[in-house]
Amino acid sequence: DAGVIQSPRHEVTEMGQEVTLRCKPISGHDYLFWYRQTMMRGLELLIYFNNNVPIDDSGMPEDRFSAKMPNASFSTLKIQPSEPRDSAVYFCASSPSGSRGEQFFGPGTRLTVL
Amino acid sequence: SQQGEEDPQALSIQEGENATMNCSYKTSINNLQWYRQNSGRGLVHLILIRSNEREKHSGRLRVTLDTSKKSSSLLITASRAADTASYFCATDLIQGAQKLVFGQGTRLTINP
Repeated sequence: DAGVIQSPRHEVTEMGQEVTLRCKPISGHDYLFWYRQTMMRGLELLIYFNNNVPIDDSGMPEDRFSAKMPNASFSTLKIQPSEPRDSAVYFCASSPSGSRGEQFFGPGTRLTVL
Repeated sequence: SQQGEEDPQALSIQEGENATMNCSYKTSINNLQWYRQNSGRGLVHLILIRSNEREKHSGRLRVTLDTSKKSSSLLITASRAADTASYFCATDLIQGAQKLVFGQGTRLTINP
């Protein structure tokens, strides 16, 4: 199994630009999570999906952030427009239903907004 | 808000020694999990302990859970340089919801 795949691994962009992060969960996993990790705030859950449907987006910081899951094998997290304070490592994780909640994390995307 | 808080924030020990990290949480839980994160990598699940369990072992890992004190500890015995990483506890708040809340982590350094 290839594990959770994220792209790009690194992204450097200028303030005001649109950023799109991508995630391919482990095949057969019904849950997909987007997290943001910073030194100041630690690991924060942004949004999670179950069977491609958003279940809880209470962690999405503001309207500039949006996430979609058009099918079971692909999800995107979009930031438009990006700001320097969005600089962080963004992780995608997936989990199978029926498990006790163990999550499998991708390698992350390090985003730098100049 | 953070549900779990790890203690200490950083720990540095010699190879071969045991390392103990603690996690406290605020509300009732169903399960508590520990994850490891190597520098520049994603988190990796280590072990899960249910709220009705008090102790669990996995290789060199030993986890305890005290629900009356709302705390857990992770013990790594006979530490190795490869154990150098950050360790996070994670709790679920709602049974079946699959949503986890992570603590701030303990940065463990094993000196050769």
